[in-house]
Amino acid sequence: QVHLQQWGAGLLKPSETLSLTCAVSGGTISGHYWNWIRQSPDKGLEWIGEIDRSGSTQYNPSLQSRVTMSVDTSKTQFSLKMVSMTAADTAVYYCARGRVFGAVLPRTWFDPWGQGALVTVSS
Amino acid sequence: DIQLTQSPPSLPTFLGDTVTITCRASQSINTYLNWYQQKPGEAPKLLIYLTSNMQSGVPSRFSGSGSGTEFTLTIRGLQPEDFATYFCQQSYSSPYTFGQGTSLEIK
Repeated sequence: QVHLQQWGAGLLKPSETLSLTCAVSGGTISGHYWNWIRQSPDKGLEWIGEIDRSGSTQYNPSLQSRVTMSVDTSKTQFSLKMVSMTAADTAVYYCARGRVFGAVLPRTWFDPWGQGALVTVSS
Repeated sequence: DIQLTQSPPSLPTFLGDTVTITCRASQSINTYLNWYQQKPGEAPKLLIYLTSNMQSGVPSRFSGSGSGTEFTLTIRGLQPEDFATYFCQQSYSSPYTFGQGTSLEIK
């Protein structure tokens, strides 16, 4: 059974960079797309982007200019960096497994999810 | 982006009741609609994918239906563990989007 464990800094100052990592255990990282999703009271659940085993990415256009995702297949980990953080980026950030590698885009649902990481941006 | 509107936002209900939650899309999304359950302090959990397919381990009292722009999640015979928030999510087109959630509350 696949399990996702995530970690990263939880308190940032405005303009700093968010860095989160998600480790995949119980399965291979090569067989799926891997996603980041965030949740805040104001915006609800917001998909940030996905990455595949080769490092090919797709980002939410609303965040694309600030987001970079990467994957380390040897460590079965993938990561999120988001620059120029502001208070509006305060949220719980989740990693999640998405569609099977090679599957068409609409066959995308998220399961399982990581435990979530509260990221607060405050001066 | 495709907007998903859930109704109602909250639903007071009794144990044993049957409830229906609606999710409406701003354009046709075929049957590319998924449902999640979230309990306080936990990550969302996938219940149903592609409108009506049950994720492994999900009780049979949960069911989903719909197509195009209108979808429903039905829970028959509410159990104590079902009181949670439910979200729909469309996968028809990127960026994937979610509804704002429906919170089931004990009446």
